[in-house]
Amino acid sequence: GENVEQHPSTLSVQEGDSAVIKCTYSDSASNYFPWYKQELGKRPQLIIDIRSNVGEKKDQRIAVTLNKTAKHFSLHITETQPEDSAVYFCAAGGGYQLIWGAGTKLIIKP
Amino acid sequence: ETGVTQTPRHLVMGMTNKKSLKCEQHLGHNAMYWYKQSAKKPLELMFVYNFKEQTENNSVPSRFSPECPNSSHLFLHLHTLQPEDSALYLCASSQDPKTPSGNTIYFGEGSWLTVV
Repeated sequence: GENVEQHPSTLSVQEGDSAVIKCTYSDSASNYFPWYKQELGKRPQLIIDIRSNVGEKKDQRIAVTLNKTAKHFSLHITETQPEDSAVYFCAAGGGYQLIWGAGTKLIIKP
Repeated sequence: ETGVTQTPRHLVMGMTNKKSLKCEQHLGHNAMYWYKQSAKKPLELMFVYNFKEQTENNSVPSRFSPECPNSSHLFLHLHTLQPEDSALYLCASSQDPKTPSGNTIYFGEGSWLTVV
C-alpha cells in the first residue's frame, strides 16, 4: 500500500540552530502535503502546508520544500526556540485520504 | 479553542463492555473523521463522513462502529475491544475534502482509550 516515510524519528538541536525533517512518499498522485505539530498532551495542529504546484513555501521561521520528481518534502525550522519542542507529523495525499508519517520528536536543548 | 470537542477525554473499559466516544465540531464543516493514534506509529484513518454519508472505511474491524447523525456530530461505538485497541482516538473535521480548502484537517484533543 501507499506509505510515507519520515526521518529522523528523534531530532535534538541546540536552541537557535536549524532543524530539518524529511519525508518521502510513494503515491505519485499525492497533491497536498501538510505538516502538523503535536505538543505533549495536545491535539495535532497544522503549521504549514504545500500543494503540488508549488516548490517552496515560507511562514516566518518555518518553510516547506517539495521535490515532486524525487517524491520528497521537507520541513525547515530556523532559529529554533524552546516552544518548538513537539512531535511533528508529515502527510501526503489529497481528497479524503492522507497518508501520515510516523512522526519526529524534536527536542530543543537550552 | 473549542472547534472540535471530544468526550470522554479518558476511558477505561473491559473487553466485554460497550462504550461510545463522542465528537462535536463547531466549525461549520461538512466532513468528519476518526483517526487512531498509537505510540510511534503513523496516524491511522479509520472512518470518513462527508455530508453525513460514510465515504471511507479503512478496513476497520467491526468492533468499531461509527455513527454520524448530522454534520456536527460523530460517534464511535466500541464493543468487545481488544487490549491492542488501546490508543488515542482523534476526531477531526474539515470542509468538503473534494475541494482545495477541504484538505486542512482540524483535530480534537482526543480520547485516551485503555482496554483491560
